[in-house]
Amino acid sequence: SQTIHQWPATLVQPVGSPLSLECTVEGTSNPNLYWYRQAAGRGLQLLFYSVGIGQISSEVPQNLSASRPQDRQFILSSKKLLLSDSGFYLCAWGETGGHDEQYFGPGTRLTVT
Amino acid sequence: AQKVTQAQTEISVVEKEDVTLDCVYETRDTTYYLFWYKQPPSGELVFLIRRNSFDEQNEISGRYSWNFQKSTSSFNFTITASQVVDSAVYFCALSTLNDYKLSFGAGTTVTVRA
Repeated sequence: SQTIHQWPATLVQPVGSPLSLECTVEGTSNPNLYWYRQAAGRGLQLLFYSVGIGQISSEVPQNLSASRPQDRQFILSSKKLLLSDSGFYLCAWGETGGHDEQYFGPGTRLTVT
Repeated sequence: AQKVTQAQTEISVVEKEDVTLDCVYETRDTTYYLFWYKQPPSGELVFLIRRNSFDEQNEISGRYSWNFQKSTSSFNFTITASQVVDSAVYFCALSTLNDYKLSFGAGTTVTVRA
């Protein structure tokens, strides 16, 4: 069966510091991968998605970036965090083709101070 | 562009009551996919159901049921005989044939009181 991991689970970072969140999927090959952000008390916003290694599509221009160095690894990064980057970050995977349901990881709760 | 509206922000019920969550969607695509997810207090989104635009059959899974009506662009979700464990935020979402991403509604917070 497939599993999706995210780490860290929680993170407190000062403004201006770098960020690296990691997501890995097990039990499947060539998945579509997604990063979402959920601000407190609000819905989910798609940040990035990837249909293959090295292929990244950005949905929202901001100071975040994503990379997919391996088939089942998806990384969310920032060089300098802003207060507005605080939120709950969720990684998700879906089958190749993109129209099946997406399965979400446990999330990373980021607080920028 | 796709849009999903969940007009109910919060619903509070007493255990064993039924609760219906509304979801209205907008899309110009003729082929699309509708989803419901549950987000318990732990935060992880749990997939509940997917419906294709060409399949309007309603579905029942235990205490959960879904009513898909293309004529009104709605995909409503009913929890029968609610339980405290049903307390969560529920999201409706939409994707289309030409788009990989899910467009989520704002979510409805369901609180079931014992």
